[in-house]
Amino acid sequence: DTAVSQTPKYLVTQMGNDKSIKCEQNLGHDTMYWYKQDSKKFLKIMFSYNNKELIINETVPNRFSPKSPDKAHLNLHINSLELGDSAVYFCASSQDQNFFGDTQYFGPGTRLTVL
Amino acid sequence: KNEVEQSPQNLTAQEGEFITINCSYSVGISALHWLQQHPGGGIVSLFMLSSGKKKHGRLIATINIQEKHSSLHITASHPRDSAVYICAVGGAQKLVFGQGTRLTINP
Repeated sequence: DTAVSQTPKYLVTQMGNDKSIKCEQNLGHDTMYWYKQDSKKFLKIMFSYNNKELIINETVPNRFSPKSPDKAHLNLHINSLELGDSAVYFCASSQDQNFFGDTQYFGPGTRLTVL
Repeated sequence: KNEVEQSPQNLTAQEGEFITINCSYSVGISALHWLQQHPGGGIVSLFMLSSGKKKHGRLIATINIQEKHSSLHITASHPRDSAVYICAVGGAQKLVFGQGTRLTINP
């Protein structure tokens, strides 16, 4: 069984559209994250949720809105997509709210291409 | 200058060689992570350490907190070890990534 899953794996869309990426973890973890990997392969934290509560919100445009309906799911909604949003987005989870002092489990990534 | 610097950025070696990848950081940390990103893009956590040394199979990770430096070693390297290895340091609700080291092991 997949531990952290994301859908879709690939997403191609036009500028200005609104899109969502879904993430689910079946590990029973309390904390989930969204990361962005740009074209230079740098990973950056975007958001962190612990038990459905937003804990970390890095400097991310407010066009990006995470939603956590329960602690097993953390979805990412993006409004008014821009060319610069093209990247690979990774979801991850970890056991507790020690955040970055805990092993993280990554999803397979969603490659977003904005045309 | 990035808060986390890895060296080398690219490394090509022959199968069987001993590999060392270095990570230096300038921020306070609670833990340091080594991640492996496969050619297909998937990311796997290899190690998380806050002191000393950890070993898993042919992989060994060490950290020197005083010197703010960590190394990842691969013994008896194999072509399947070819990947990007990423160092990340975590603490104070922040996780900062290095730029990655692209390792290629030739048969």
